[in-house]
Amino acid sequence: EVQLVESGGGLVQPGGSLRLSCAASGFIVSSNYMSWVRQAPGKGLEWVSVIYSGGSTYYADSVKGRFTISRDNSKNTLYLQMNSLRAEDTAVYYCARTWELSFHYWGQGTLVTVSS
Amino acid sequence: QSALTQPPSASGSPGQSVTISCTGTSSDVGGYNYVSWYQQHPGRAPKLMIYEVSKRPSGVPDRFSGSKSGNTASLTVSGLQAEDEADYYCSSYAGSNRYVVFGGGTKLTVL
Repeated sequence: EVQLVESGGGLVQPGGSLRLSCAASGFIVSSNYMSWVRQAPGKGLEWVSVIYSGGSTYYADSVKGRFTISRDNSKNTLYLQMNSLRAEDTAVYYCARTWELSFHYWGQGTLVTVSS
Repeated sequence: QSALTQPPSASGSPGQSVTISCTGTSSDVGGYNYVSWYQQHPGRAPKLMIYEVSKRPSGVPDRFSGSKSGNTASLTVSGLQAEDEADYYCSSYAGSNRYVVFGGGTKLTVL
């Protein structure tokens, strides 16, 4: 059974950093495209980043240069390192197994709040 | 301002059919056959309902169907049931720079 469990969210001050984790089971992270998608409170969905099975990475313009997606094959885990956080980064962050440019499996999400 | 335009709300009575539209441009919806639809119940993660315009993942009832014409994609829910009441989001591949863009979401109410 495919399962994705995010962790690492919390309250952080503007300008701070946070690393989100997404532990996967039931499939191999490194053999799949994996994405982060976020949802601000009461708002819609926004794609954040994707890592291809070959290792290429892509980012939304809103986070480019501040966020880094990566994975640890030995732990079958996806990460999102978030630096220089802003109030507008406040959202629930979901990791998702990506296939054919769709998000087929989602985690339960982890809330990131950027506030002083 | 979302990249794709959806009506904020839609409604129908149990057993009826309802169609939700998703309008983009030739750079996203009209340019690729990679439109997806997601269902999200309050407080829950989104769930994929349709991918590649009209394909259903395993386990999704055939009451859900998708189509596309030009720059507009559509999700049709037939035989509405109470549990279909949720927010629905469309998405489309938008090229290597923007990757995937979403609509603003449509709240479906089952009357």
